Amino acid sequence: QKEVEQDPGPLSVPEGAIVSLNCTYSNSAFQYFMWYRQYSRKGPELLMYTYSSGNKEDGRFTAQVDKSSKYISLFIRDSQPSDSATYLCAMKVGPGGYNKLIFGAGTRLAVHP
Amino acid sequence: EAQVTQNPRYLITVTGKKLTVTCSQNMNHEYMSWYRQDPGLGLRQIYYSMNVEVTDKGDVPEGYKVSRKEKRNFPLILESPSPNQTSLYFCASSQPGYGYTFGSGTRLTVV
Repeated sequence: QKEVEQDPGPLSVPEGAIVSLNCTYSNSAFQYFMWYRQYSRKGPELLMYTYSSGNKEDGRFTAQVDKSSKYISLFIRDSQPSDSATYLCAMKVGPGGYNKLIFGAGTRLAVHP
Repeated sequence: EAQVTQNPRYLITVTGKKLTVTCSQNMNHEYMSWYRQDPGLGLRQIYYSMNVEVTDKGDVPEGYKVSRKEKRNFPLILESPSPNQTSLYFCASSQPGYGYTFGSGTRLTVV
């Protein structure tokens, strides 16, 4: 079993839809959770960085962490074609740059006009 | 502009011919890392470095070497590339409490 599981999709939605992306994990020591967006032929870019449980909002994006269920989510409101990308969840046990970051395999999202 | 720069972006080589992929960051980050990305397997860590002259193996280090002689540079060396090293490679750097900043990637094909 992988430490971090993520449905690869693809997920296809119409413009304006609310998108829900999810990851589950097995290591209860994970405390720091991230979402990265990766456009085709580009490197991943950090979207959201959260600590422990709860919600964090940034514009149209909301990250949600439920440590009791070992489940994290990224919600995208009013989705746009420019949101079409692969979304990677990632997590680690500590805040240090040296703490190993474990990635999900990524979910491919397509938002069509 | 704060960034991680990798070169080359694309590389086709033959089995056994040594190659180096360069990585440089201008953010004064202490931590740097190399990943490979393969379909269905996601990002897997090859090597990482916590500071100058401090490097360690990640999850898939076989067939790779790294060095960290300067803080800004972290080259990835393939001494004798093989076809199973055909992949998309990313260099990344970070500071404590922050996420990683990734380079744009190097697509390597070994024939």
